[in-house]
Amino acid sequence: GNSVTQMEGPVTLSEEAFLTINCTYTATGYPSLFWYVQYPGEGLQLLLKATKADDKGSNKGFEATYRKETTSFHLEKGSVQVSDSAVYFCALSDRMGGATNKLIFGTGTLLAVQP
Amino acid sequence: EADIYQTPRYLVIGTGKKITLECSQTMGHDKMYWYQQDPGMELHLIHYSYGVNSTEKGDLSSESTVSRIRTEHFPLTLESARPSHTSQYLCASRVATEAFFGQGTRLTVV
Repeated sequence: GNSVTQMEGPVTLSEEAFLTINCTYTATGYPSLFWYVQYPGEGLQLLLKATKADDKGSNKGFEATYRKETTSFHLEKGSVQVSDSAVYFCALSDRMGGATNKLIFGTGTLLAVQP
Repeated sequence: EADIYQTPRYLVIGTGKKITLECSQTMGHDKMYWYQQDPGMELHLIHYSYGVNSTEKGDLSSESTVSRIRTEHFPLTLESARPSHTSQYLCASRVATEAFFGQGTRLTVV
């Protein structure tokens, strides 16, 4: 079945460091891919998405490219800030026309950015 | 800004009590979901609905039940709460490829 595997945390970085959180997926067909962010005490918010191969999603300085050949959707940011400290979830949505169109999440990666 | 609301935000309740977690959205979305989030952060789908009078069990077995009598409302009920039900419960609604989440209810059963 469909699944998402993401890098285990916690990831601890200093402010202005480069961030990579790895995400790979297993899916039949052509899923859509997402990164969600969860700040302390909050629900999840969509950070970025890509709906087809080679698409790049970007938002708030974060980027991720849909790589079908490596089945990956790694999250990157060139210079993290303390305010980026949160839990990041990689997710996919299959495209089985409405029948089982569920969001499947990875296990989440906790990012802690120190000043 | 997503318009999906969960109440209460925090609930501490005794074993054996019946509880209902509320979830409402004003966006007219047909698809709605309940996730249980364990302390290790992982999200488990426990219920979903594709519209009024449609409810399905998710990937993780749960003793809770849900109903969908109105498009905007998707409450979750536990008939008899137990300490093993202590968790964070997240409600979401969805249109096309994008999902919107409420802020969650943190339930503690003592």
